[in-house]
Amino acid sequence: KAGVTQTPRYLIKTRGQQVTLSCSPISGHRSVSWYQQTPGQGLQFLFEYFSETQRNKGNFPGRFSGRQFSNSRSEMNVSTLELGDSALYLCASSLEQRAYNEQFFGPGTRLTVL
Amino acid sequence: DAKTTQPNSMESNEEEPVHLPCNHSTISGTDYIHWYRQLPSQGPEYVIHGLTSNVNNRMASLAIAEDRKSSTLILHRATLRDAAVYYCILRDWNSGAGSYQLTFGKGTKLSVIP
Repeated sequence: KAGVTQTPRYLIKTRGQQVTLSCSPISGHRSVSWYQQTPGQGLQFLFEYFSETQRNKGNFPGRFSGRQFSNSRSEMNVSTLELGDSALYLCASSLEQRAYNEQFFGPGTRLTVL
Repeated sequence: DAKTTQPNSMESNEEEPVHLPCNHSTISGTDYIHWYRQLPSQGPEYVIHGLTSNVNNRMASLAIAEDRKSSTLILHRATLRDAAVYYCILRDWNSGAGSYQLTFGKGTKLSVIP
């Protein structure tokens, strides 16, 4: 079974631009979560989707948004990019929304904002 | 989410057992204890989880204290590939309409000496 895939793997943007990142979960998984990882803040939760509905959102500004499609694929969008948005963005999928379900992470998208 | 406390770093010799401790004195009765690890330049990887009883899988063992206020991840024979940051995370199964996101702390950086 294929793992979680994220595209693109690397991205370079300039301040003020917007970016869309894509995540394809493991086949059959219905829950998708997004995380941001930076050296200073570590791994931080962005949002979680289940059955095309956002179930929770982390403490990030409204410039960060996401959505989930009927096939469980998910996208996240960051508008008006800032230098501080440079980070590794990780997507994780799990079978259901249960506290005992493991999350499977993708390799991440490395975003650099110049 | 209840908090966990882990040592910042640990060292182990290759092929020796490693015991990674985690304190979670404010754990609630509905919290699962999860362990993830992140190898360099990769997304986090699920290791193991448990609720009350000790657990074993092909990667590791999880020993949970009787009062559940602490737990220990046991790698039976450390290999160079086990060098990673290990995260101990609590997930409440009674989140109701809430989220099942993973709240990562700083984790323990494990170094394996050849």
